[in-house]
Amino acid sequence: GIQVEQSPPDLILQEGANSTLRCNFSDSVNNLQWFHQNPWGQLINLFYIPSGTKQNGRLSATTVATERYSLLYISSSQTTDSGVYFCAVEYTGRRALTFGSGTRLQVQP
Amino acid sequence: DAGVIQSPRHEVTEMGQEVTLRCKPISGHDYLFWYRQTMMRGLELLIYFNNNVPIDDSGMPEDRFSAKMPNASFSTLKIQPSEPRDSAVYFCASSSGGGNEKLFFGSGTQLSVL
Repeated sequence: GIQVEQSPPDLILQEGANSTLRCNFSDSVNNLQWFHQNPWGQLINLFYIPSGTKQNGRLSATTVATERYSLLYISSSQTTDSGVYFCAVEYTGRRALTFGSGTRLQVQP
Repeated sequence: DAGVIQSPRHEVTEMGQEVTLRCKPISGHDYLFWYRQTMMRGLELLIYFNNNVPIDDSGMPEDRFSAKMPNASFSTLKIQPSEPRDSAVYFCASSSGGGNEKLFFGSGTQLSVL
């Protein structure tokens, strides 16, 4: 099956710092999404980004489908950014997302 | 829209008991997914429906698990009999099929089987 690898697995930042999270996938995908799971367990959809670049406030994402990777940028991090960030992909033939193991982010004040 | 609604939020039961988890998808969404999250296996797909029809149940662990979607606004995931290894957070999610297919999750059901 498709492999979804996220790096780094853990990240600790000071408030105000910037960070880049990476997602590598092993096959062509139709769909790629980024999620944030907050400390209360809620999964929030950040981006639907099968290709190209999108921005939403302090967050932006870029997917280079031909090279099979996606990046999530967090700028001027805040403590509320803490949690786990998941990348999930959908490959041809299966209309469902496969999740990576996540990057656990802790933003310290 | 209130988003994807799951119930109960927490369920504690004893081994051997039947457990039923419930989900109401976002109105107008024609895809519904059940995921399970554990520390060991992460987020894994159990089953998904399109227009109330089960499409892929290859992730359902074994015959003790069953899922139904009797109409467009309701789905259940049943475990009978439950076992301690079924303890996990079970998420329901829904999406539309028309292009911008963002997946939206419910708040999850924390299941503990003693």
